[in-house]
Amino acid sequence: DSGVTQTPKHLITATGQRVTLRCSPRSGDLSVYWYQQSLDQGLQFLIQYYNGEERAKGNILERFSAQQFPDLHSELNLSSLELGDSALYFCASSQRTGPANEQYFGPGTRLTVT
Amino acid sequence: AQKITQTQPGMFVQEKEAVTLDCTYDTSDPSYGLFWYKQPSSGEMIFLIYQGSYDQQNATEGRYSLNFQKARKSANLVISASQLGDSAMYFCAMREGQGDYKLSFGAGTTVTVRA
Repeated sequence: DSGVTQTPKHLITATGQRVTLRCSPRSGDLSVYWYQQSLDQGLQFLIQYYNGEERAKGNILERFSAQQFPDLHSELNLSSLELGDSALYFCASSQRTGPANEQYFGPGTRLTVT
Repeated sequence: AQKITQTQPGMFVQEKEAVTLDCTYDTSDPSYGLFWYKQPSSGEMIFLIYQGSYDQQNATEGRYSLNFQKARKSANLVISASQLGDSAMYFCAMREGQGDYKLSFGAGTTVTVRA
């Protein structure tokens, strides 16, 4: 158990809908990252937050948005869903100390768009 | 351009034998970190081992060791004494710069351990 929690574990929804994925980082971790894993694109970085502020953006579509709240949990909002958005969405967290700054991943949310 | 290249899509290894997973990387940043993660069929991503670009010695963590060849830009993972539970997808990843930056992942290598 990495200490990072994600809900829900599975999500099935229809095209055009909007969903919210939730992530709670490990205790004490201020950085939260979102990644998307799909068969055709592999593991791709979407966005990073540090202590409530957006820190870096990757290949995140305009239909997607995220935020990190004062209690450090984060939410990833996906709207106007398309079939191609079906993927495993990971949240990861890290501390900003130590040379490794290794990221610990949550169990993921598997999104299926039908 | 691909930052991380894993050329072996799948490998078979006999139980108790060692296996080497290849990873090459591309960066112009002198400061970077290399990571290996394991993804079992259950889907979670498990951190295995880290190597910093300035580290003089190869990293080791239990049965995992990283064969770091900086001049060749390679960071191969060696799993010794393979166990059935090692069957999984393995990802090489890189962080450019020091600090809490994003990871760039390779395509992964599937390892199947045979009894």
